[in-house]
Amino acid sequence: GNSVTQMEGPVTLSEEAFLTINCTYTATGYPSLFWYVQYPGEGLQLLLKATKADDKGSNKGFEATYRKETTSFHLEKGSVQVSDSAVYFCALTANTGGFKTIFGAGTRLFVKA
Amino acid sequence: DSGVTQTPKHLITATGQRVTLRCSPRSGDLSVYWYQQSLDQGLQFLIQYYNGEERAKGNILERFSAQQFPDLHSELNLSSLELGDSALYFCASSRGDRANSPLHFGNGTRLTVT
Repeated sequence: GNSVTQMEGPVTLSEEAFLTINCTYTATGYPSLFWYVQYPGEGLQLLLKATKADDKGSNKGFEATYRKETTSFHLEKGSVQVSDSAVYFCALTANTGGFKTIFGAGTRLFVKA
Repeated sequence: DSGVTQTPKHLITATGQRVTLRCSPRSGDLSVYWYQQSLDQGLQFLIQYYNGEERAKGNILERFSAQQFPDLHSELNLSSLELGDSALYFCASSRGDRANSPLHFGNGTRLTVT
């Protein structure tokens, strides 16, 4: 079946450091890929998405490229801020007799001033 | 504001009891999803409805049930509650008819079973 694997956290970085959170997936067909972010005390919210191979999703300085050859969708940001501290979830949606979304386990990011 | 409304925000109850969580989806969304988030942050998919019909089922216990009503709001019923059912329960909605539609999450109901 379909699955999403993302790097375990927590990830601790200093402000202005470079961020990479790895995400790989297993899916049949052509899934859409997403990154969601969860700030403390809130629900998840969409950060960015990519719907086909080689698409790059971007938002708020974050980027991720849909790599079909490596089945990956790694999240990157060139310079993190304290306000980026949150839990990040990689997800895919595929049509498996209905459109079902599967989430990775989440990666907690701490950014120190 | 995601447009998804969940009530109540907090619920404290005793073991063996039954509770109902309610979700109103974003306007225009036909699909509703329920997720359970434990303290270690993992997000477990419970169940999905599309336009009133069950679409997909995840790791939902037999003590739990859900439904989506004609006005598209959804309820998650949890019965014979156990301490281990304490968690955050999220509802999300989407168009539900295409893979590129993102999910929109409510702020969750925090259930505490004592």
